[in-house]
Amino acid sequence: DAKTTQPTSMDCAEGRAANLPCNHSTISGNEYVYWYRQIHSQGPQYIIHGLKNNETNEMASLIITEDRKSSTLILPHATLRDTAVYYCIVHGSGNTGKLIFGQGTTLQVKP
Amino acid sequence: GAGVSQSPRYKVAKRGQDVALRCDPISGHVSLFWYQQALGQGPEFLTYFQNEAQLDKSGLPSDRFFAERPEGSVSTLKIQRTQQEDSAVYLCASSSRLAGGSAKNNEQFFGPGTRLTVL
Repeated sequence: DAKTTQPTSMDCAEGRAANLPCNHSTISGNEYVYWYRQIHSQGPQYIIHGLKNNETNEMASLIITEDRKSSTLILPHATLRDTAVYYCIVHGSGNTGKLIFGQGTTLQVKP
Repeated sequence: GAGVSQSPRYKVAKRGQDVALRCDPISGHVSLFWYQQALGQGPEFLTYFQNEAQLDKSGLPSDRFFAERPEGSVSTLKIQRTQQEDSAVYLCASSSRLAGGSAKNNEQFFGPGTRLTVL
């Protein structure tokens, strides 16, 4: 699975959009981009995933560049409860499905 | 329905003791994963089960670590002769995806983890 690069930390004001970037320049054609987050003292929680089209669900939006070498997770109206570590994971087919986590981005939402 | 549950939530062991950590996956999920998360780090893969078969144990750090899922549902991670470097949060996750399947449907559901402290 391709490696990802994320900023170590980011701040966001409550009520504003949080935009979390991820670089995955070595991604291959059949690999999906997955996002999970981990709130303090909890297990990771799935947020969203995509292949090449932009995706939106009740939690977030995922914007993938046309060359698929980077993506951005958007939390449209961040709340204090969105403070967490966000992990961008690139994952391909034909394997066990184990997730390879990096260091993630620590998002601090401030009042 | 209930999510993934793990027990105990916290475990303190003296160095050299054996411990057993339990995971109850979501009912019907064929795939079960164990991950280890050291303080300040992302989770790291330990082992994978599809039903009762352990298909990947490449992440187990030593032969002191042993996992089983005898009936294809509940799983137990056992650590023998615990050492201080085993101190970590042990996470269990389950999914409905089969090994070798598309990555399109690999949403994993995680339990709250067991925090193991070895003194």
